[in-house]
Amino acid sequence: AQSVAQPEDQVNVAEGNPLTVKCTYSVSGNPYLFWYVQYPNRGLQFLLKYITGDNLVKGSYGFEAEFNKSQTSFHLKKPSALVSDSALYFCAVGGTDKLIFGTGTRLQVFP
Amino acid sequence: GAGVSQSPSNKVTEKGKDVELRCDPISGHTALYWYRQRLGQGLEFLIYFQGNSAPDKSGLPSDRFSAERTGESVSTLTIQRTQQEDSAVYLCASSPGGLIRVAQYFGPGTRLTVL
Repeated sequence: AQSVAQPEDQVNVAEGNPLTVKCTYSVSGNPYLFWYVQYPNRGLQFLLKYITGDNLVKGSYGFEAEFNKSQTSFHLKKPSALVSDSALYFCAVGGTDKLIFGTGTRLQVFP
Repeated sequence: GAGVSQSPSNKVTEKGKDVELRCDPISGHTALYWYRQRLGQGLEFLIYFQGNSAPDKSGLPSDRFSAERTGESVSTLTIQRTQQEDSAVYLCASSPGGLIRVAQYFGPGTRLTVL
């Protein structure tokens, strides 16, 4: 069965510093991996996805994620965090016909 | 419209009442999904439509929950005899096809509060 784990409930980082939000997955077969962001009182927004090809995927708002097959990870990264990046981030893995979401990681960027 | 819309944005109801939640997907999107997000928790899959049919209803929590979609467009999620544990944000998403590798586009959600 497919599953995804986000081991950190919250990540705190100072503005301007690099950030990483962790995600690990378990699938049979090739994984389809996604990151979504949820700003306060708004719906989820698609950030990026990995389907196949280059392990480093670039997405919206300067975010990128690295697919690591040996570690079954798909961590979200950004070289320089902004206060406006503060939000709830969800990792998801594609199941047979639906997305399976992690529990979310709250990112707090301090000025 | 430009994005997925949902109505109402907020719904407060009394325990035991029925509620209907509406989702208007992006025009032309054949796949439509319903999720539930309880406070402080992740997204819980409820049901998936491809066109007007629902190949996967496995996430519906009980027989009090039902959903339909007509004209490959609007979908309604109905909760009968609401219970307090039904309180959550109900999110709808659509995508151009049913392939899971395609990104889903989410609406703003309906916040349901059952008193």
